Amino acid sequence: AQSVTQLDSQVPVFEEAPVELRCNYSSSVSVYLFWYVQYPNQGLQLLLKYLSGSTLVKGINGFEAEFNKSQTSFHLRKPSVHISDTAEYFCAVSDRGNTGFQKLVFGTGTRLLVSP
Amino acid sequence: DSGVTQTPKHLITATGQRVTLRCSPRSGDLSVYWYQQSLDQGLQFLIQYYNGEERAKGNILERFSAQQFPDLHSELNLSSLELGDSALYFCASSRDRTVGEQFFGPGTRLTVL
Repeated sequence: AQSVTQLDSQVPVFEEAPVELRCNYSSSVSVYLFWYVQYPNQGLQLLLKYLSGSTLVKGINGFEAEFNKSQTSFHLRKPSVHISDTAEYFCAVSDRGNTGFQKLVFGTGTRLLVSP
Repeated sequence: DSGVTQTPKHLITATGQRVTLRCSPRSGDLSVYWYQQSLDQGLQFLIQYYNGEERAKGNILERFSAQQFPDLHSELNLSSLELGDSALYFCASSRDRTVGEQFFGPGTRLTVL
């Protein structure tokens, strides 16, 4: 069974500083990986996804993530954060099974708190 | 705006009652997914429909059921409600049933008193 571990429940950071949100997954098969962001009182929005190809994935709002198969990680990074990046970030994994069904398994989320 | 709509936005009801949550997927999307988000359980997959047929079940209680109609909108029915059912319920849709991102609606916040 798949699982996702987000090691940090909360990450405080100052504006314009770099940030890394950690995500590790476990799966017995090849996977697809996603990062979603949830702003207060809103639904989830896709930041970026890894399906295949280059292990460095660029997403919206200046975020990027690197797929590391040997370390089963998919950490999210941004070189310089803004106040508006304050939100909850979810890592998710989906297997590449032949069933045609894309079930997303989410981590518990990391709250990014950006202060001036 | 993801293009996925959910109604109602908020729902307050009492224990033992039954409610129906509605979701309209993005235009052209055939798959609909339902998720429950609560403080203690996090974000949990409940069920998926593809073009009117149930495709997979997750951690969905027997008191809960869902369906997808010919126009592709979906409804999640929650019955014999308990205090612990209070949560945010999200609907998501995707173009097909395989690879690709899921687009999430704004959610329905259910409060059971």
